[in-house]
Amino acid sequence: AQTVTQSQPEMSVQEAETVTLSCTYDTSESDYYLFWYKQPPSRQMILVIRQEAYKQQNATENRFSVNFQKAAKSFSLKISDSQLGDAAMYFCAYRSLGGGADGLTFGKGTHLIIQP
Amino acid sequence: NAGVTQTPKFQVLKTGQSMTLQCAQDMNHEYMSWYRQDPGMGLRLIHYSVGAGITDQGEVPNGYNVSRSTTEDFPLRLLSAAPSQTSVYFCASNDQMGSYNEQFFGPGTRLTVL
Repeated sequence: AQTVTQSQPEMSVQEAETVTLSCTYDTSESDYYLFWYKQPPSRQMILVIRQEAYKQQNATENRFSVNFQKAAKSFSLKISDSQLGDAAMYFCAYRSLGGGADGLTFGKGTHLIIQP
Repeated sequence: NAGVTQTPKFQVLKTGQSMTLQCAQDMNHEYMSWYRQDPGMGLRLIHYSVGAGITDQGEVPNGYNVSRSTTEDFPLRLLSAAPSQTSVYFCASNDQMGSYNEQFFGPGTRLTVL
């Protein structure tokens, strides 16, 4: 079974600064997908960014980018020019391409605080 | 297009009571799933379905039943509620199993079992 670890329960950053959230995972699979989800106080789960493991190029979505290190099984999220609306819980998640129990395997989350 | 809808938003049960959490999607997605979220934890998979008539267990299935009679609906049943089932429950849907495409989540149901 796969596991996802987020070692930072809470992070704080000044508005307009850059912050990096860490995520590592454990798997024996060679192909898989990785995701970052944001959960604001409203509880809604919002997809931030995703990465296919066979692609070496790091994904980017506007101010959000990832540093995907397949050999190290690391998938960190960088948020540039942090905004107050970025304050939320952030979850790293893993998904197999198929077979076995499908669905997303989530880390425990990082609570991101934005200081004005 | 409502996406994924869940009812109710909040529910309080007494130990031993039964109830059904409703989930529906209007995106014609084959894959649907239920997760629970406990404090300090990420979401954990309870049950999932890859199509009408097909369901399977996830990581934490004990105490829950599911069925999938239509593509649109995927209800979660608690037959005899226990305090350990106090949690926030999310339903989600995806176009297919093992997909790279976005998994859409409902707004969640906060369940308290006394």
